[in-house]
Amino acid sequence: EAQVTQNPRYLITVTGKKLTVTCSQNMNHEYMSWYRQDPGLGLRQIYYSMNVEVTDKGDVPEGYKVSRKEKRNFPLILESPSPNQTSLYFCASSLWVSGGQFFGPGTRLTVL
Amino acid sequence: AQKITQTQPGMFVQEKEAVTLDCTYDTSDPSYGLFWYKQPSSGEMIFLIYQGSYDQQNATEGRYSLNFQKARKSANLVISASQLGDSAMYFCAMRENTNAGKSTFGDGTTLTVKP
Repeated sequence: EAQVTQNPRYLITVTGKKLTVTCSQNMNHEYMSWYRQDPGLGLRQIYYSMNVEVTDKGDVPEGYKVSRKEKRNFPLILESPSPNQTSLYFCASSLWVSGGQFFGPGTRLTVL
Repeated sequence: AQKITQTQPGMFVQEKEAVTLDCTYDTSDPSYGLFWYKQPSSGEMIFLIYQGSYDQQNATEGRYSLNFQKARKSANLVISASQLGDSAMYFCAMRENTNAGKSTFGDGTTLTVKP
């Protein structure tokens, strides 16, 4: 089944404790992206990747890191999480940069 | 910079009727793509329809069609014959070709279909 998977789905953590949210797609997609969704603010792009080893900042990259060492994986790293990073996070991928994106199920993160 | 505006925070429609969800955009790039996504209450995001700026015809996908008016910079989603399962949040999104990796989403419109 073609899909984008994210883990964990839910996470409660404390300020400053490094965490990684994994994202993997099995569709051989070139393009991958991370978004956060906050009430009333729609989806805001954090980082994106056009291909392996190619990543770039979206609109809200502060406090986040990403890497794209393999085509299928695009982890999101929070080196020192803060309460303002409490949000719903989505990973997405598409075959081409101009294509509609397939989204993962989302990761609900709470930073205390 | 690209910008998406969805002016309808909430919309109601009677089952089996058609509904139009508004989306206007702003860009200086002549080449861009416009997208609509659906987010049901269960939370997943579902791609619905795509329109390229140079496409001559309005995009259609089943009961979804995109009313693309380039001069007015609008890309409204039309859902025909609404069903109860269409109740969801709908997001309009955009990508410019000059900075093709960046995606911008609107704030969304919550659609409620009444039986």
